[in-house]
Amino acid sequence: SQTIHQWPATLVQPVGSPLSLECTVEGTSNPNLYWYRQAAGRGLQLLFYSVGIGQISSEVPQNLSASRPQDRQFILSSKKLLLSDSGFYLCAWSDGTVAYNEQFFGPGTRLTVL
Amino acid sequence: ELKVEQNPLFLSMQEGKNYTIYCNYSTTSDRLYWYRQDPGKSLESLFVLLSNGAVKQEGRLMASLDTKARLSTLHITAAVHDLSATYFCAGSMDSNYQLIWGAGTKLIIKP
Repeated sequence: SQTIHQWPATLVQPVGSPLSLECTVEGTSNPNLYWYRQAAGRGLQLLFYSVGIGQISSEVPQNLSASRPQDRQFILSSKKLLLSDSGFYLCAWSDGTVAYNEQFFGPGTRLTVL
Repeated sequence: ELKVEQNPLFLSMQEGKNYTIYCNYSTTSDRLYWYRQDPGKSLESLFVLLSNGAVKQEGRLMASLDTKARLSTLHITAAVHDLSATYFCAGSMDSNYQLIWGAGTKLIIKP
């Protein structure tokens, strides 16, 4: 069966510091991968998605970036965090070989920028 | 461009009652998805509806899809406290890898 991991689970960072969040998927090959952000009490905002190694699509201009160095690894980064970067970051995967796009979510990383 | 709207956004109800959450979408959506999110937790996939007239049930939750009306519903039967959560619907188009999300319905079920 497939599992998706995210770490760290929680993170408190000062404004201007760098960020690196990691997501890995087990039990599947060539998944579509997604990064979302959810502000407190709000809906989901798609940040990035990837359909293959090195292929990243950005949905929202911001100070964040994403990379996919390996098939089942997706990394979200920032060089300098802003207060507005606080939120709940969710990684998700979907099976690119099926005709529908059911996404499966990791446990999330709760980021607080102070 | 696909847009997805849910209503209500907030629902407080008593245990034992029935209620329905509505999910309208603006243009042709090949697929409709329902997710559940418990407070402070991640999202869990509940249902995937793939065709007009599709109906799926799991316990006290039943989801249906009417592509002609561009409407999906999530019906809760004889609600229990454990169903308190935020429910999201999302649509997708065959040519796109993305899900287009509704704003979510926060459901509180009082004992």
